[in-house]
Amino acid sequence: SQTIHQWPATLVQPVGSPLSLECTVEGTSNPNLYWYRQAAGRGLQLLFYSVGIGQISSEVPQNLSASRPQDRQFILSSKKLLLSDSGFYLCAWGGGTGETQYFGPGTRLLVL
Amino acid sequence: KQEVTQIPAALSVPEGENLVLNCSFTDSAIYNLQWFRQDPGKGLTSLLLIQSSQREQTSGRLNASLDKSSGRSTLYIAASQPGDSATYLCAAYTGGFKTIFGAGTRLFVKA
Repeated sequence: SQTIHQWPATLVQPVGSPLSLECTVEGTSNPNLYWYRQAAGRGLQLLFYSVGIGQISSEVPQNLSASRPQDRQFILSSKKLLLSDSGFYLCAWGGGTGETQYFGPGTRLLVL
Repeated sequence: KQEVTQIPAALSVPEGENLVLNCSFTDSAIYNLQWFRQDPGKGLTSLLLIQSSQREQTSGRLNASLDKSSGRSTLYIAASQPGDSATYLCAAYTGGFKTIFGAGTRLFVKA
């Protein structure tokens, strides 16, 4: 069966510090991978998606970047965090467009 | 631009009650509509997916309907239980790699 991992689960970082969130998927090959951010009381905002190694598409211009160094690894990064980067970050994989997405447990990021 | 709205934002019901959660979307050109459950501080779990050609989907005590022409979907929960307490999100798939999510309805079922 497929499993998706995210770490860390919780992170508190000062403004201006770097960020690296990791997501890995087990039990599937060549998945479409997604990074979402969920603000309190808001829907999920798609940040990045990837259809393969090294292939990243950005949906919202911002302070964040993503990379996919391996087939089942997706990394969300920032060189300098802003207060507005605080939120709940979710990684997801989906077998194909239009099919359901499977979500990881999420990382709660608080920037102070 | 597709927008997905869920009303109410929060709902509290006594155990055993049947309830309906509402979802509306502005653009009827969707490929499918999904309902997810999210427990506090956790990721999303898919409950039901309705393709655009379908009218409804059922899983256990859950039934989701889709009316594309009116831009509405409902999630019906029968005989609610305290374990159903969670946030329920609907999401419209509009093509490509984009799924538009509503903000969710937070449900509390009182024992």
